[in-house]
Amino acid sequence: NAGVTQTPKFQVLKTGQSMTLQCAQDMNHNSMYWYRQDPGMGLRLIYYSASEGTTDKGEVPNGYNVSRLNKREFSLRLESAAPSQTSVYFCASSEATGVTGELFFGEGSRLTVL
Amino acid sequence: GESVGLHLPTLSVQEGDNSIINCAYSNSASDYFIWYKQESGKGPQFIIDIRSNMDKRQGQRVTVLLNKTVKHLSLQIAATQPGDSAVYFCAENHNQGAQKLVFGQGTRLTINP
Repeated sequence: NAGVTQTPKFQVLKTGQSMTLQCAQDMNHNSMYWYRQDPGMGLRLIYYSASEGTTDKGEVPNGYNVSRLNKREFSLRLESAAPSQTSVYFCASSEATGVTGELFFGEGSRLTVL
Repeated sequence: GESVGLHLPTLSVQEGDNSIINCAYSNSASDYFIWYKQESGKGPQFIIDIRSNMDKRQGQRVTVLLNKTVKHLSLQIAATQPGDSAVYFCAENHNQGAQKLVFGQGTRLTINP
């Protein structure tokens, strides 16, 4: 059981380049999330998808777009990367769509924008 | 804006001792809290959760205490082991109808042999 799988694990971009982070979960979860984690800080929610076909903004959505491709997959796209988007990105999923429920996180994708 | 914070950024304990990690929150509307453990190079891992209608919940070697009067949350780890070395995050949900957690900055727990 792989859980939540993110690709790529590492990526270096130049300012202005675009890229997509891929995330897939095999737990048949309804909800999926993208967080970013900066040094010495907690995780901040970028976007989430409460169910297939729906997406909504989190705390820091500017500069990102997402696609809930199907129940398993949730991608995060940077259209024009900026140095401020250098971070570690975590995808997560959960069964619950309400207030309670454990989040299952991937291993993270480390992005550096030069 | 309101946020979750921590009293201490680092904590060092002797192996075998009990560890207490503290967390302050300021949003009185929060009704659900979770503790996560993050080992180096890995994603956060769920430890224990508690709803606002409870003041204590126990798991295996861990206990979470919630004091709504002073908006304080703590994680107690009994008989700390080397494998407990990690960064611990508390997170709260502002009852927004989805699992939109707000995470604290984290406390790094180091275990001394």
